[in-house]
Amino acid sequence: GAVVSQHPSWVICKSGTSVKIECRSLDFQATTMFWYRQFPKQSLMLMATSNEGSKATYEQGVEKDKFLINHASLTLSTLTVTSAHPEDSSFYICSARGPPGNEQFFGPGTRLTVL
Amino acid sequence: GDSVTQMEGPVTLSEEAFLTINCTYTATGYPSLFWYVQYPGEGLQLLLKATKADDKGSNKGFEATYRKETTSFHLEKGSVQVSDSAVYFCALGTQGGSEKLVFGKGTKLTVNP
Repeated sequence: GAVVSQHPSWVICKSGTSVKIECRSLDFQATTMFWYRQFPKQSLMLMATSNEGSKATYEQGVEKDKFLINHASLTLSTLTVTSAHPEDSSFYICSARGPPGNEQFFGPGTRLTVL
Repeated sequence: GDSVTQMEGPVTLSEEAFLTINCTYTATGYPSLFWYVQYPGEGLQLLLKATKADDKGSNKGFEATYRKETTSFHLEKGSVQVSDSAVYFCALGTQGGSEKLVFGKGTKLTVNP
């Protein structure tokens, strides 16, 4: 089946620094990638949708200048959390969708802790 | 807006017990409905889905029926196994597909031998 990887699986950083998370579709071309955020005991919340080669579409309330998304190729999307603060600590999950079937395939997630 | 409500966990069962995890939704239009499963350390995997009213999705012994009249999509399994221990997420797809997924909070299931 389709496999999506994320790197790193966990990261700890100091407040004020930027962190980049990678999402890769390993065996298929992802025309669309999605980024979600999950707080403890909460549901996954969609942050943004990105199509290869175009700007990401952010959900209401998500700061596009803080959460930079780049989808430069059909197999790679990156999420950069800029000037991270403790309230950005969360579990970030990506998914990728491509033909056939248009099903979303999920990565294992990245745990971000900002000190 | 669209939303999904699923039963709070955690749920703990003995092997071979019957499982029900309730899920109800609020949506405009005609959403598709999904159940995803997340095993420890892994990404969410699609367990089953239904795209229209009265459809029944099934996979690995799990079933769920799209009930438009009660806006529900309850997950059931007749006899759970230890290997079914995981977190289960109910979700709806807006725009009739998986264009955007709206998730419930997840229900953690633990099955004891």
